Amino acid sequence: QVQLQESGPGLEKPSQTLSLTCTVSGGSITSGGYYWTWIRQHPGKGLEWLAYIYDSGTTYRNPSLRSRVSISVDTSKNHFSLNLSSVTAADTAVYYCARSRGYSWGFDSWGQGALVTVSS
Amino acid sequence: QSVLTQPPSVSGAPGQRVTISCTGNSSNIGAGYDVHWYQQLPGTAPRLLIYGNINRPSGVPDRFSGSKSGTSASLAITGLQAEDEAEYHCQSYDKSLSGYVVFGGGTKLTVL
Repeated sequence: QVQLQESGPGLEKPSQTLSLTCTVSGGSITSGGYYWTWIRQHPGKGLEWLAYIYDSGTTYRNPSLRSRVSISVDTSKNHFSLNLSSVTAADTAVYYCARSRGYSWGFDSWGQGALVTVSS
Repeated sequence: QSVLTQPPSVSGAPGQRVTISCTGNSSNIGAGYDVHWYQQLPGTAPRLLIYGNINRPSGVPDRFSGSKSGTSASLAITGLQAEDEAEYHCQSYDKSLSGYVVFGGGTKLTVL
């Protein structure tokens, strides 16, 4: 049973770069052809897809955030990461990592979520 | 606002049946992309409830069912139980702007 766990600072200053890591346990990040994904949820709001990475390096990002979002994978550490640059208070949210079997599939495994607050 | 439209809230008494709608357009649900549903209990991560419009992952009770028609999809919950009180989200894929994953705004289910 694969498990995902987000880690990273819970507080970020405006204009800085938010960095989070999702560690995958119970299976290799390179097996199964999965899409490894970041999703966020603003307080009291719906879910927003940010980006995914697959085939150990092919990425796709939400068009509305493309200029600020990057996603990468470190297969040696079995984790993948999110960077979101030039953050503002509007980026305060719970950030989830998740897994799916394809670009339009459902997300069958989720991390517990990491709250990131952007504040000076 | 969200690309997919859900009612903000629905409610029902224990034992009743409720449905939650998810409305899209010709670029997403209407283009043939599957709809998936999630249940999110307070303070927890979403859990996949229905995938591929109608399929339940193992462990999901058959009280939960999904359907899709045209540019919309629905989640039905029969035999409502107190433990079903949660936020429900729909998800699909949109082919515009080179394609991206889209969600509904979420629906809060209250069991009266």
